[in-house]
Amino acid sequence: QVQLQESGPGLVKPSDTLSLTCAVSDYSISSSNWWGWIRQPPGKGLEWIGFIYYSGSAYHNPSFKSRVTMSVDTSKNQFSLKVNSMTAVDTAVYYCARTWISMVRGVVSQVHFDSWGQGTLVTVSS
Amino acid sequence: SYELTQPPSVSVSPGQAASITCSGDILGDKYAYWYQQKPGQSPVLVIFRDNQRPSGIPERFSGSNSGDTATLTISGTQAMDEADYYCQAWDSSTVVFGGGTKLTVL
Repeated sequence: QVQLQESGPGLVKPSDTLSLTCAVSDYSISSSNWWGWIRQPPGKGLEWIGFIYYSGSAYHNPSFKSRVTMSVDTSKNQFSLKVNSMTAVDTAVYYCARTWISMVRGVVSQVHFDSWGQGTLVTVSS
Repeated sequence: SYELTQPPSVSVSPGQAASITCSGDILGDKYAYWYQQKPGQSPVLVIFRDNQRPSGIPERFSGSNSGDTATLTISGTQAMDEADYYCQAWDSSTVVFGGGTKLTVL
C-alpha cells in the first residue's frame, strides 16, 4: 500500500517561494506512475497544480503560468514542488498524490489520483 | 476553459439512495472520476473511469456518465457516507475538478 507524506514550511511570506516535498513509501517512484500535486484553499474545492513522471516529463495547470516547478529525486524516492511569487490566495492545504494517466497515440487521455498524502497547510502571511 | 458543475448540497435519509450529478459539456465523451472527502481528511477515490470501484470501496457506490452528466449514486446511504464529493475529468491538457457537493445524511 503506497504511502505519501508531504513536508515543508507551514508559513511562507508574500513574494517568497514555496518548496514542498512528498516522500513516497512502500512503492517505487520509478514505477509506471506519475506523481501529482493538488491544493485546497480553506473551505473551498480542489485545484490541480500539476504532475510529473520520474523521467522529468511534466504537465501543470496553465493558471499557474510559469510559477510552478516540479522535480523528482529517484534516489530518495520523493518528488517536489516549488511555487514562486506566493500571495495570500495561495494559502491552502497542499496534497501530493499518485497519479495514473492513460495515453492514446502519445496524447494524455485520462488522469486520476488514486492515493493521496495527508496534506500540509501552507499559509502565506507576513 | 472546461467547467464541471455540481450541486452545492444534497440531502438523503439513511438507507435511501443518494445521487450527485456533475455536468460538463459533452462530459460523456470523457471519463469521470469521483472523490469522497470527509472533514479534516484527504480525498479518497471512490469511482474511476465512470463506473469502476477501486478495491475497498463498498458496492453501494456506483457511477454513470452519459451526455453532459456524470452521476455518482450511493445506494442504501449510511451515516458514514456524509462527506464532500468531487467529480473530476481531463480536458485540453488540464485536470478539472467540480466545485464539490456536500452530502448530508439526515
